[in-house]
Amino acid sequence: ETGVTQSPTHLIKTRGQQVTLRCSSQSGHNTVSWYQQALGQGPQFIFQYYREEENGRGNFPPRFSGLQFPNYSSELNVNALELDDSALYLCASSPYRGQGGNTIYFGEGSWLTVV
Amino acid sequence: SQQGEEDPQALSIQEGENATMNCSYKTSINNLQWYRQNSGRGLVHLILIRSNEREKHSGRLRVTLDTSKKSSSLLITASRAADTASYFCAPRGDSSYKLIFGSGTRLLVRP
Repeated sequence: ETGVTQSPTHLIKTRGQQVTLRCSSQSGHNTVSWYQQALGQGPQFIFQYYREEENGRGNFPPRFSGLQFPNYSSELNVNALELDDSALYLCASSPYRGQGGNTIYFGEGSWLTVV
Repeated sequence: SQQGEEDPQALSIQEGENATMNCSYKTSINNLQWYRQNSGRGLVHLILIRSNEREKHSGRLRVTLDTSKKSSSLLITASRAADTASYFCAPRGDSSYKLIFGSGTRLLVRP
């Protein structure tokens, strides 16, 4: 049990639609990151939020956006869904902006299928 | 940024045998973390080993780190069918805020 919870666990969307995924971070962790994992590959970093601001982003287009709330929970929003967005989306939390020395804990993920 | 590359890509062993997975990286690190992922599930943190540590144990897991060779290994002793999973390493630098994963090692433990 990592203390990081994600919802929903599975969902199916149609190409062109929008989706919102949610994450509740481990107690005391003020940093949340999101990762995308396509089938058979390792997770790819999307972005990180610290104190409600994005402070790091991977190679993902602007239609991937996020929010972090005062209680440190977070949302990942994806607009104009494409078939290639089908993947497992993982949320991870850590304390203190995830500076190099801290353990990062992952949730169980949200499986998104775009048809 | 750091990326770990796991080797081998796939490993099949009999229950009770030991499994060894290796990780290589390219630049200096603050620590290196190992994760396990069961099929379709999230990543479970196994061990964090710091750059000034050479070996660390947790139950049946033993992790070594050789910073001169920029490599780490994960040993699972007396493997069980439940150890069947993908294993990822994640090296991190001092100011690194993200993890960069390789493709992992897929371990199959046959009963």
